[in-house]
Amino acid sequence: NAGVTQTPKFRVLKTGQSMTLLCAQDMNHEYMYWYRQDPGMGLRLIHYSVGEGTTAKGEVPDGYNVSRLKKQNFLLGLESAAPSQTSVYFCASSYFGGINQPQHFGDGTRLSIL
Amino acid sequence: DAKTTQPNSMESNEEEPVHLPCNHSTISGTDYIHWYRQLPSQGPEYVIHGLTSNVNNRMASLAIAEDRKSSTLILHRATLRDAAVYYCILRGMNRDDKIIFGKGTRLHILP
Repeated sequence: NAGVTQTPKFRVLKTGQSMTLLCAQDMNHEYMYWYRQDPGMGLRLIHYSVGEGTTAKGEVPDGYNVSRLKKQNFLLGLESAAPSQTSVYFCASSYFGGINQPQHFGDGTRLSIL
Repeated sequence: DAKTTQPNSMESNEEEPVHLPCNHSTISGTDYIHWYRQLPSQGPEYVIHGLTSNVNNRMASLAIAEDRKSSTLILHRATLRDAAVYYCILRGMNRDDKIIFGKGTRLHILP
């Protein structure tokens, strides 16, 4: 059982380039999330999805877009990468929403923007 | 939003119990207390959660104060693999499904 898988694990981009981070979960979870983690700041929510075909903004959505075309996949896009987007990106999923539901995280994508 | 306060770091000896404290004096009646941990170079990992009563699972125990203004995560027998950052998080009805991570407690295990 793979759980939450993030692709790629590492990437280096030049300023202005675009890319898509892929998150896949095999647990049939309804809810999926994208976070970023910067040194000394904990995790911050970028966007999330409460089901296939839905997306919503989190705490720091600017500069990112997301899509949830299939229930098992949640894509995070950077249209024009900026150095401020250098970070570690984590995807998470939960069976459904609710304050007593644990979230399951992937191992992250380390992204550097030069 | 209700806030949690944790020590920045703690040390413990291997094979001894560890008690990780968390203060949440402004907790509301519907807030759940969640604990996650993050091992080096990995994503956060769910540990345990509770509302009012103490909780036990295979990873840890959660002791919740009677007034719910504080809680303690208990690792019964620490191993080197338990060295991680531990996050105490409140999740309530007014915060939807978002998990707001603070800075957590960095736990060092001494062999």
